[in-house]
Amino acid sequence: DVKVTQSSRYLVKRTGEKVFLECVQDMDHENMFWYRQDPGLGLRLIYFSYDVKMKEKGDIPEGYSVSREKKERFSLILESASTNQTSMYLCASKTSGPYQETQYFGPGTRLLVL
Amino acid sequence: QQQVKQSPQSLIVQKGGIPIINCAYENTAFDYFPWYQQFPGKGPALLIAIRPDVSEKKEGRFTISFNKSAKQFSLHIMDSQPGDSATYFCAAKGSGSRLTFGEGTQLTVNP
Repeated sequence: DVKVTQSSRYLVKRTGEKVFLECVQDMDHENMFWYRQDPGLGLRLIYFSYDVKMKEKGDIPEGYSVSREKKERFSLILESASTNQTSMYLCASKTSGPYQETQYFGPGTRLLVL
Repeated sequence: QQQVKQSPQSLIVQKGGIPIINCAYENTAFDYFPWYQQFPGKGPALLIAIRPDVSEKKEGRFTISFNKSAKQFSLHIMDSQPGDSATYFCAAKGSGSRLTFGEGTQLTVNP
């Protein structure tokens, strides 16, 4: 079974803090994704990576950056946390290849910025 | 701008009922349409998916109906059970690996 783990289930941070969210997958997947989930807005893509050290902006990249130094690990960084970044953050991974479309999600990190 | 519109936002049915969740899209380049199911405290998981070359796909009690000309697709859950209570997301994929998700539907199936 594919396993995607996220470093924290709950996180409380203060405005202005630098926040690191970590995601690790154990299936050697090439593609990894960071989403945020908000009620009534669904899942919105923040950043994704299709290979080590490669990244592409999603729909809402402002205020976020990412790092992918190893294939299995994809980090989301909030350079200076703000209250409007309070949300559920979901990491996902997917293999490449034709007709391999399934994204596998981690359990999420619920971030509260005070 | 939401490229995939999902309705309703919430839905309550009795056990054995047939909830229907609808999605509409604009981008005709979308070529893969999955539904994800999310239970409280868990990440979403793929439930069922369809490609635009077929009009219907059934897996167990779950059916996707797809209308290419109307740019709409829907999820039907036959003989719904309390264990089906979850949040359901439709999505669509264009070129590359990106999925665009709908807003989500919170389904409650009462015993």
